[in-house]
Amino acid sequence: EVQLVESGGGLIKPGGSLRLSCEASGFTFIDVFMTWVRQAPGRGPEWLGRITRESDGGTTDYAAPVKGRFTISRDDSKNTVYLQMNSLKTEDSAVYYCTTEFFDQSGRYIDVWGRGTLVTVSS
Amino acid sequence: IVMTQTPLSLSVTPGQTASISCRSSQSLLHGDGRTYLYWYLQKPGQSPHLLIFEVSSRLSGVSDRFSGSGSGTEFTLQISRVEAGDVGTYYCMQGLNLPWTFGQGTKVEI
Repeated sequence: EVQLVESGGGLIKPGGSLRLSCEASGFTFIDVFMTWVRQAPGRGPEWLGRITRESDGGTTDYAAPVKGRFTISRDDSKNTVYLQMNSLKTEDSAVYYCTTEFFDQSGRYIDVWGRGTLVTVSS
Repeated sequence: IVMTQTPLSLSVTPGQTASISCRSSQSLLHGDGRTYLYWYLQKPGQSPHLLIFEVSSRLSGVSDRFSGSGSGTEFTLQISRVEAGDVGTYYCMQGLNLPWTFGQGTKVEI
């Protein structure tokens, strides 16, 4: 079964740091880009950033609100992508999802989202 | 790229057809000939999940009651013979340029 499972969320004070993890299973992790998306309460999804495959250089791109504060990395040996969040602000409070998309061996387009992990930034 | 959806909410009677519009601030047509417009559904308490990619291609397993159309900057998601299980918030998203951006969402109620 194709699956993504996020972990690491919780309550953190403003200015603090948190690292989220997303473990993948059921597909060939090294072959896909990985993306982080968040959703604040009552709001739509917001793309945060992505990391390419190692074969593409493992390069990262970020949305303006998090650039310089958030860092995405991946460990292909663990089928895991990470989101390191520093200098957290109250407006970073949201459910954080990892997601990916790819064509499987049958040519079917596969889009996978985790269930998300809740991050609350509050004093 | 700014994505604008209308309406923001929609109340539909089972069996009717629902239509959601999405407009992008610039053309989503890539030089490779593909148009990177996607439709997601987020049911209450769940993660978003993709229904349609590249304007009109349904994901495997998605009912043919869902259809996408459009080109350039104007797109439409149509839900035929609406069922109770179709309730949720529908989002369009552009995947042409980073950052990928979503519309505000259209909440569909029965």
